[in-house]
Amino acid sequence: SQQGEEDPQALSIQEGENATMNCSYKTSINNLQWYRQNSGRGLVHLILIRSNEREKHSGRLRVTLDTSKKSSSLLITASRAADTASYFCATEVNSGYSTLTFGKGTMLLVSP
Amino acid sequence: KAGVTQTPRYLIKTRGQQVTLSCSPISGHRSVSWYQQTPGQGLQFLFEYFSETQRNKGNFPGRFSGRQFSNSRSEMNVSTLELGDSALYLCASSPGVTGKETQYFGPGTRLLVL
Repeated sequence: SQQGEEDPQALSIQEGENATMNCSYKTSINNLQWYRQNSGRGLVHLILIRSNEREKHSGRLRVTLDTSKKSSSLLITASRAADTASYFCATEVNSGYSTLTFGKGTMLLVSP
Repeated sequence: KAGVTQTPRYLIKTRGQQVTLSCSPISGHRSVSWYQQTPGQGLQFLFEYFSETQRNKGNFPGRFSGRQFSNSRSEMNVSTLELGDSALYLCASSPGVTGKETQYFGPGTRLLVL
């Protein structure tokens, strides 16, 4: 079953614009991670935010976590064509286990 | 450090056959997890191995099995293949000690069952 649900399912923007993707989940988590996947290839880890953190930055990425609403958002600022990919949120819920539960992803298209 | 490697990258099998996929984790990582990705079901957790022991298992039939060797390399096996087993199979490694670390994914093995 899917723990996380991303919104929107697809997003099309122009280069230079910001892209915001949201993720909602159902149960308490240890951490939430965001991954990027290009054209059905392997997943690239973007950022991990722990359950006791509210915001985290990495380069052009900004992630927020609201555990009271069981939601997270990923903001990509000043997007580039190379950011075109599918973005997934994944939650880790079991302490001591390395198990991720993924949402279905947001497909981001950045046009030049 | 070298990343997670998976072999083979592509595989075509026919229904009823069995298949074995291999995953080599990042050096020093002791946890290997396997995931199946399909257009319909998305990314689903298969199982996780840590120090040669299956530590956690997803909701998949017994046709899906795995193992981990003493060097942390892992294999997964699917017996009696079905058309619905066509998918991208991804493995991920992490240190695995606390269960709270980043997981690093390999490029995947794309399996097509005809």
